[in-house]
Amino acid sequence: AQKVTQAQTEISVVEKEDVTLDCVYETRDTTYYLFWYKQPPSGELVFLIRRNSFDEQNEISGRYSWNFQKSTSSFNFTITASQVVDSAVYFCALSLEGQGFSFIFGKGTRLLVKP
Amino acid sequence: DVKVTQSSRYLVKRTGEKVFLECVQDMDHENMFWYRQDPGLGLRLIYFSYDVKMKEKGDIPEGYSVSREKKERFSLILESASTNQTSMYLCASSFGGRASGETQYFGPGTRLLVL
Repeated sequence: AQKVTQAQTEISVVEKEDVTLDCVYETRDTTYYLFWYKQPPSGELVFLIRRNSFDEQNEISGRYSWNFQKSTSSFNFTITASQVVDSAVYFCALSLEGQGFSFIFGKGTRLLVKP
Repeated sequence: DVKVTQSSRYLVKRTGEKVFLECVQDMDHENMFWYRQDPGLGLRLIYFSYDVKMKEKGDIPEGYSVSREKKERFSLILESASTNQTSMYLCASSFGGRASGETQYFGPGTRLLVL
C-alpha cells in the first residue's frame, strides 16, 4: 500500500532558526514522484517542488532545501533562517507512475514561526 | 504562471440547497480535480476529470456530482447540501496523461458552510 507520513503535526520555532519537516513515504513502485506544497493561512496550496524517484540529488532554492533519500524512503524539507512568513501548513505528496491522477497526501505539518 | 481560480472564497448555504462551486484554469490543462480538506482528515479527492465531459470518482464522491463542458472549467455540484459537507473545497489542475505524475496546481479554495 502507498502511504505518506508526516509525523510532525505541529512545529514551533523562533524566527531565524532552521527547521526540518519530515516526510516518509511507502511504495513498492520504482517510478514515482514526490512533492511539497505550502498552505498559508489564506488557504491556497502553493507548489514548492517535484522530484522523481530517479533523481536523488538534493535541491536548494534560496532558504529552502530538500533531502531525498531512497534508502530511508524520506523526502525531508529544511527551511534555513526561518521567517514569520514561513508560517503555514506544509504537505508532502506522492504520485505513482501510471497513476498520474492519484496524489497521496500526508496529513501536513503546521509550522509556526514566532518573531 | 499557472492560474486556477475558484468562483467564491466563502459560501454560506442552507441544508437542502443545490450548490455550485466553479473552477477555472488558464493553462490548457487536461486534468482537473476537486478535493475537500477537513481537520484531521487531510485532503481527500472527490472527483477528477481528464478531458471535456469525462469524469472519474475519487475517494469520496457520495453526495457530489461534477460537470466539465469546457476544458478550462470544472464544476462541483452539491445536489442537496448537508451539514456534513461543510468544508474547505480545493480545485486543482495538471497537464494530461496518467503516466507522468504531473504537478497539480491549486486554486485558492472555497470555504463552504452549510447551515
